[in-house]
Amino acid sequence: QQQVKQSPQSLIVQKGGISIINCAYENTAFDYFPWYQQFPGKGPALLIAIRPDVSEKKEGRFTISFNKSAKQFSLHIMDSQPGDSATYFCAALNQGGKLIFGQGTELSVKP
Amino acid sequence: ETGVTQTPRHLVMGMTNKKSLKCEQHLGHNAMYWYKQSAKKPLELMFVYNFKEQTENNSVPSRFSPECPNSSHLFLHLHTLQPEDSALYLCASSQVAQSSYEQYFGPGTRLTVT
Repeated sequence: QQQVKQSPQSLIVQKGGISIINCAYENTAFDYFPWYQQFPGKGPALLIAIRPDVSEKKEGRFTISFNKSAKQFSLHIMDSQPGDSATYFCAALNQGGKLIFGQGTELSVKP
Repeated sequence: ETGVTQTPRHLVMGMTNKKSLKCEQHLGHNAMYWYKQSAKKPLELMFVYNFKEQTENNSVPSRFSPECPNSSHLFLHLHTLQPEDSALYLCASSQVAQSSYEQYFGPGTRLTVT
């Protein structure tokens, strides 16, 4: 299966809170898992990415947690800020070099 | 200009029109992509060009015709489109190399078919 399932579809978080977005996949041959951030009127931009040989990667306030056995990975945004309000996409790279994207999560951080 | 640029940013066309979308990348990459982004749906890969050669056509209807004259430019020619083709069309580029997978996206062309 080439799908990546993402949830929730939308998320509202208070400023300073933790935003958590989850993704699940079925194809065990996926070997690279990026997260993209998209602001209105802009194209998606790479935020952070992880390979399946590590369980966690942290860059600033953004952390990817990866559970290989459960075939799930998640994005955690600590101390969420209004400027983080955007749409977030998870993705997985298949063996053919194609990125398979999740449906996206609209995050709104309230001041 | 830096990164990936796309023109026009907005396009309204009738079902019988012919138009073209243009993408240019200033990153020295060797692969370029067209994606379709519809509301509440995952990004859909349409076409891939590696070193100017089309390597992927993701079952896209023939009313969409890509053209890649060189590694920096990518076009999407449109003709006799349907209203359901209204979407944001994104161009991306990447450097195809071992352990390098990042794709850089342009801002997209918002297409409305009337």
